[in-house]
Amino acid sequence: DIQMTQSPSTLSASVGDRVTITCRASQSISSWLAWYQQKPGKAPKLLIYKASSLESGVPSRFSGSGSGTEFTLTISSLQPDDFATYYCQQYNSYRWTFGQGTKVEIK
Amino acid sequence: QVQLVQSGAEVKKPGASVKVSCKASGYTFTSYDINWVRQATGQGLEWMGWMNPNSGNTGYAQKFQGRVTMTRNTSISTAYMELSSLRSEDTAVYYCARTNDYWGQGTLVTVSS
Repeated sequence: DIQMTQSPSTLSASVGDRVTITCRASQSISSWLAWYQQKPGKAPKLLIYKASSLESGVPSRFSGSGSGTEFTLTISSLQPDDFATYYCQQYNSYRWTFGQGTKVEIK
Repeated sequence: QVQLVQSGAEVKKPGASVKVSCKASGYTFTSYDINWVRQATGQGLEWMGWMNPNSGNTGYAQKFQGRVTMTRNTSISTAYMELSSLRSEDTAVYYCARTNDYWGQGTLVTVSS
């Protein structure tokens, strides 16, 4: 199975900061990568699909980049609503795998 | 609008089985795969398996092979996930997801003696 390694596991930041989360795949997944935001007690929310495509309704401060095995999620200016846990997910094959998650905390 | 509505919370004893439903609306049920993902309290997301509602074809994570069964009833646009031989480690919130864009609200399954 394809392994997804996400870093950092925790990130402390302030409102207005630029934030970057990295995800590495154990083998090439082309651009078949998604990013999710999850808040406590809620289902994951799709932010980015196909590595860099912004899901409808998601603020433009979120962006994704990368292909092959290295991917990043960037929040250009962190807002109070963005404090949450973020997961990457590969869907190169029908067997999905997720990164371990990155918790974005208030500094 | 697309919605996936899951069945309510369950409490089961070790060794029992649980069947969680996921009712789809707002789109053609047979046009999109349904995946099941679970999340133990305070833990990450774990993919369990996939089903094509049109063909009924399934694919399961190796960890759950032999214990999980995914089915559907196309007449009522509902997918099901049944997990057997439950143990305490299966206590988690179980989610259905349409491909990866729309998710159900989650179903808490608690396994306790």
